[in-house]
Amino acid sequence: GAVVSQHPSWVICKSGTSVKIECRSLDFQATTMFWYRQFPKQSLMLMATSNEGSKATYEQGVEKDKFLINHASLTLSTLTVTSAHPEDSSFYICSALPPGGGQPQHFGDGTRLSIL
Amino acid sequence: AQSVTQLDSHVSVSEGTPVLLRCNYSSSYSPSLFWYVQHPNKGLQLLLKYTSAATLVKGINGFEAEFKKSETSFHLTKPSAHMSDAAEYFCVVTLNTNAGKSTFGDGTTLTVKP
Repeated sequence: GAVVSQHPSWVICKSGTSVKIECRSLDFQATTMFWYRQFPKQSLMLMATSNEGSKATYEQGVEKDKFLINHASLTLSTLTVTSAHPEDSSFYICSALPPGGGQPQHFGDGTRLSIL
Repeated sequence: AQSVTQLDSHVSVSEGTPVLLRCNYSSSYSPSLFWYVQHPNKGLQLLLKYTSAATLVKGINGFEAEFKKSETSFHLTKPSAHMSDAAEYFCVVTLNTNAGKSTFGDGTTLTVKP
């Protein structure tokens, strides 16, 4: 069964709306989770590292105020796309990192976000 | 610093023939290496991982990969392709010192012809 649950899987909303995406680690406590964005036919682009109980670490070029990340518990991280616009339309994927070094990330099934 | 190069953006094989997806990496330290598969509109599923144990790693669905330090390669193979193997494949390198932050290859699209 799924190790990481991501919800919702599809979102269609109007420009200016804020959208929240949830990522839950089901099998282990994850102090570290990651948020990625994927454009069609491209690889994953890391947006930010979500750290439980502290501020997220954003990659260069990613707007912190646009993409709000909250990791309030060891099993849940959320990404909120604030005041979304059509250029924010994309496929967003989260992952959770099990404790211990050298472990593979476990990925959610992704969220397809379409802003009209 | 670390980087990953997937040498082929597209690979096409016939059903029942071998699959070879190539991956080269560079890393300042001993890395952990992974192969993931992604089907359309889905997340990534782990196929196999190398974490400094046996250099020949067996994964799910008949895939395996060999870690060759001298060649800095981690190529993915399967003896006989199945139609259901058609997907996008990503080679990923992670440094244990980098808090799990990974570097992804650009991906290889595998097409399987009947």
